[in-house]
Amino acid sequence: AQSVTQLGSHVSVSEGALVLLRCNYSSSVPPYLFWYVQYPNQGLQLLLKYTSAATLVKGINGFEAEFKKSETSFHLTKPSAHMSDAAEYFCAVSGFQKLVFGTGTRLLVSP
Amino acid sequence: GAVVSQHPSRVICKSGTSVKIECRSLDFQATTMFWYRQFPKKSLMLMATSNEGSKATYEQGVEKDKFLINHASLTLSTLTVTSAHPEDSSFYICSARFPTVNYEQYFGPGTRLTVT
Repeated sequence: AQSVTQLGSHVSVSEGALVLLRCNYSSSVPPYLFWYVQYPNQGLQLLLKYTSAATLVKGINGFEAEFKKSETSFHLTKPSAHMSDAAEYFCAVSGFQKLVFGTGTRLLVSP
Repeated sequence: GAVVSQHPSRVICKSGTSVKIECRSLDFQATTMFWYRQFPKKSLMLMATSNEGSKATYEQGVEKDKFLINHASLTLSTLTVTSAHPEDSSFYICSARFPTVNYEQYFGPGTRLTVT
């Protein structure tokens, strides 16, 4: 079975600081991994995805994530946070054609 | 491309009534759609997988008679909450699987259901 664990329900950063959101996965098969962002009262928007090609994946809005098989991790980073990055972020793994989501991390950005 | 819409975005209904939520893939055909429920400040819970032309597959613990799913065409799936109660109030999100990429889903904007 597939599962993901997101460490930290809340992450606070200052504008311009590095953003690091952690995700560890468990999968019995080579995983497909995703990061989604959700703004209040909206659906999910795909930030980036890992599909067994390059281990460093670049996404939209300056985000990137690195797949590390040895650490079973897929952490999301952004070099410089912007106020507009404040949102809920979900890591997900694709298993048996379904997506399994982590519990989410709320990113708070202060001026 | 790959846009999924939901209608309505917000609905308020009285306890005991039924409400229908539509999910449409606007620019691609989706043989498979998914319905999720999200509680406040919580993650998404998969309710059911909707396959065009066949019965939906419900996740364990989801009442199939309460949450009726119909996937009548390649671009439309509907979720009907029957005999709604206040505890059914939630944010419902659908997604559609891109036809040529099995692992890729595109999400609708969600529907906020409030049962009074």
